[in-house]
Amino acid sequence: DTQMTQSPSSLSASVGDRVTITCQASQDIGNYLSWYQQKPGKAPKLLIYDASKLDTGVPSRFSGRRSGADFTFTISSLQPEDAATYYCQQYDNFLRHTFGGGTKVEI
Amino acid sequence: EVQLVESGGGLIQPGGSLRLSCVASGFPFSDYSMNWVRQAPGKGLEWVSYIGSNIGGATSTIYYADSVKGRFTVSRDNAKNSVFLQMNSLREDDTAVYFCARGSRRVAYWGQGALVTVSS
Repeated sequence: DTQMTQSPSSLSASVGDRVTITCQASQDIGNYLSWYQQKPGKAPKLLIYDASKLDTGVPSRFSGRRSGADFTFTISSLQPEDAATYYCQQYDNFLRHTFGGGTKVEI
Repeated sequence: EVQLVESGGGLIQPGGSLRLSCVASGFPFSDYSMNWVRQAPGKGLEWVSYIGSNIGGATSTIYYADSVKGRFTVSRDNAKNSVFLQMNSLREDDTAVYFCARGSRRVAYWGQGALVTVSS
């Protein structure tokens, strides 16, 4: 099965900073990767799917990019409401989904 | 409005069984695949199971995480707009909040979660 290595596991940044999180797949997954935001006690919220497609209503400061088996998630200008844990998730050809370990973003 | 509502969670002893339900509304349920995802206390997300749509009565594609294969069974009843997770031989490390979620590539809708606690 495909493994996802997400880094860093946590970070602290200031309002207005540019924040980048990466996920590396153990094998080729094409563009089959999503990014989620989760706040304590809540269900995950889909931000990006197919590596770079912004989901409906998601602010444009969030973006995703693929370079081979490496995926990057960026918040261009960090806002107070962006404090959360972020997860990548891959869905390979057999639709088995695997999550990365998560990145806790503190502000 | 799309809604997913889980039920059936609770406290169960190791080795016991529990059946989770997820009732969907606001969309044509039979057209969509469904997932179960869990989150142990203070831990990250773990995908548990996937059941494909069965438009036209086709057999649904089903997958499980290795951690639950042989113990958990996913099923769906399109007439009741529901997906189920039958959990047998429960272990303490199955303790988690279990979410149902809609879709395969774009998993944009999630339930609020059902807490399953496996403890003696």
